[in-house]
Amino acid sequence: EAGVAQSPRYKIIEKRQSVAFWCNPISGHATLYWYQQILGQGPKLLIQFQNNGVVDDSQLPKDRFSAERLKGVDSTLKIQPAKLEDSAVYLCASSPGQEFSYEQYFGPGTRLTVT
Amino acid sequence: GEDVEQSLFLSVREGDSSVINCTYTDSSSTYLYWYKQEPGAGLQLLTYIFSNMDMKQDQRLTVLLNKKDKHLSLRIADTQTGDSAIYFCAESEGGSYIPTFGRGTSLIVHP
Repeated sequence: EAGVAQSPRYKIIEKRQSVAFWCNPISGHATLYWYQQILGQGPKLLIQFQNNGVVDDSQLPKDRFSAERLKGVDSTLKIQPAKLEDSAVYLCASSPGQEFSYEQYFGPGTRLTVT
Repeated sequence: GEDVEQSLFLSVREGDSSVINCTYTDSSSTYLYWYKQEPGAGLQLLTYIFSNMDMKQDQRLTVLLNKKDKHLSLRIADTQTGDSAIYFCAESEGGSYIPTFGRGTSLIVHP
């Protein structure tokens, strides 16, 4: 089966610009996650969706980050305006359901550089 | 301190066994995981163990859990150059199952 797809793979922007990332989970997976991985650290959860509803967005900096999963399939994560400290790899993951969050499948990530 | 701690680097010779260690602080951890991340790629779940287990073996991988000491280890037998990657230890509690990751151990395998 096809894995989790993400685009773009790389993005370079200047601070205060906006950027959007796209994720297509594994077909049939109800739960979708966005993680931020800063260089030298492990991934940290930003937001979790179950179908098109938000389960957990407690770690999402809502003043500048937003995410949506309108039809319960694809998802977009947006940053507006970007700051230097947003430079990181943004990973999308999916699992068959919330009860299977211990078995997440990760995409290749989008590497964002903010200059 | 960090919730999940692991050493940053490990260097082994091809064919030897590798042992990557991890300690965690949350006594209510239900699942403990090992993920592998190759350069430019996302994380790949290698294996996970329930907190009521002491050991899990899967081909060349052996996971040992010492719940009393909150210590998890991953042993890779007959390490190959293809095993060179960053290995992340993670833990999660029952309910949310969202993993909390360590900083990762960079495994370097040399001929």
